[in-house]
Amino acid sequence: DQQVKQNSPSLSVQEGRISILNCDYTNSMFDYFLWYKKYPAEGPTFLISISSIKDKNEDGRFTVFLNKSAKHLSLHIVPSQPGDSAVYFCAASRGGATNKLIFGTGTLLAVQP
Amino acid sequence: DAGVIQSPRHEVTEMGQEVTLRCKPISGHDYLFWYRQTMMRGLELLIYFNNNVPIDDSGMPEDRFSAKMPNASFSTLKIQPSEPRDSAVYFCASSPVGGASEKLFFGSGTQLSVL
Repeated sequence: DQQVKQNSPSLSVQEGRISILNCDYTNSMFDYFLWYKKYPAEGPTFLISISSIKDKNEDGRFTVFLNKSAKHLSLHIVPSQPGDSAVYFCAASRGGATNKLIFGTGTLLAVQP
Repeated sequence: DAGVIQSPRHEVTEMGQEVTLRCKPISGHDYLFWYRQTMMRGLELLIYFNNNVPIDDSGMPEDRFSAKMPNASFSTLKIQPSEPRDSAVYFCASSPVGGASEKLFFGSGTQLSVL
């Protein structure tokens, strides 16, 4: 049972345009969400996060939007750069003393020069 | 800071053989996690430790899988006997004091191929 879903396995975008990566979750108890980026032959690295008390968090070119009623979050990258080409994982966790993260299946973003 | 160190980077073995994956977490991190990445299921949490004690092993697929953390600087994930369906990338990650806002620091992973 996949509690965190990324329904688009891949996405191709032109350099300079906006990239939008989507993520859906099923567990209403999740209250913290993160995006990780993964390059080939490397481990995932943290990109940006958002708490359920917010609906938007911005960090430079990266913005994460959270729609709790729809159980949906998205990552916007603008403008997209070739160096952004990577696999992006969405992750979610419940509050409390644990940081057990539940990850999605990932979306491969290809930014074309 | 050397980051999370995993070994080996690649492992090729034959079905039925024992496989041991190793991990050295970042010094001072209290939490250690083992994840497995596959195309179909993405990153799956197998087990995690807090202060060397296993907290949740509900993600361990079968009794063939076992994990230990004998001290704060070393952990192993063992598969015995290995099967072709165990082929995946296995990641170790660590994080500092727990809390939902803490992010994970991943190693570079071990690519396991079971023939």
